[in-house]
Amino acid sequence: GDSVTQMEGPVTLSEEAFLTINCTYTATGYPSLFWYVQYPGEGLQLLLKATKADDKGSNKGFEATYRKETTSFHLEKGSVQVSDSAVYFCASGGSGYSTLTFGKGTMLLVSP
Amino acid sequence: NAGVMQNPRHLVRRRGQEARLRCSPMKGHSHVYWYRQLPEEGLKFMVYLQKENIIDESGMPKERFSAEFPKEGPSILRIQQVVRGDSAAYFCASSPMDRGGEPQHFGDGTRLSIL
Repeated sequence: GDSVTQMEGPVTLSEEAFLTINCTYTATGYPSLFWYVQYPGEGLQLLLKATKADDKGSNKGFEATYRKETTSFHLEKGSVQVSDSAVYFCASGGSGYSTLTFGKGTMLLVSP
Repeated sequence: NAGVMQNPRHLVRRRGQEARLRCSPMKGHSHVYWYRQLPEEGLKFMVYLQKENIIDESGMPKERFSAEFPKEGPSILRIQQVVRGDSAAYFCASSPMDRGGEPQHFGDGTRLSIL
């Protein structure tokens, strides 16, 4: 079945550092790919998405590119802020219908 | 607020009791998904419903768990005879159509604690 693997956390960075959170997937067909962010005590918020190979999703300074050849969708941000501290989930959506397969999540901690 | 509404936010039950979790999808959304998040883990799909129909329940435990999405009212996830292992955060998501590229919008979850 489908699966999503993302790097384990926590990832600890200083403010303004560069962020990369790796994500790879296995799926039949051509899934859509998503990054969701979860702040403490809250639900998941969609951060960005890409629906086909070579698409780049971007939002709030975060970017991720759908790489079919490496089955990856790594999340990057050039300069993180303390307010970016949260748990980040990579997810794939089946090409048939929309149930999502999630990675285990990566906690990001940004210190001033 | 037109977001996905879940209630209650926190629910405490004793072993053997029943838990009922409610989810009202976003306005205009007819597809509802339930996910469970165990501590230190990602979300696991449980069940996918449209109005009055269960489309995919492959992630639901075979016993004690059931879900419905009636023609009127919210979707309900029901857990009978709860056990300690049912303690988790349960998230509901909704989308307007059944297509892989359509993002799901999540509620804030119900945190279920079993004493």
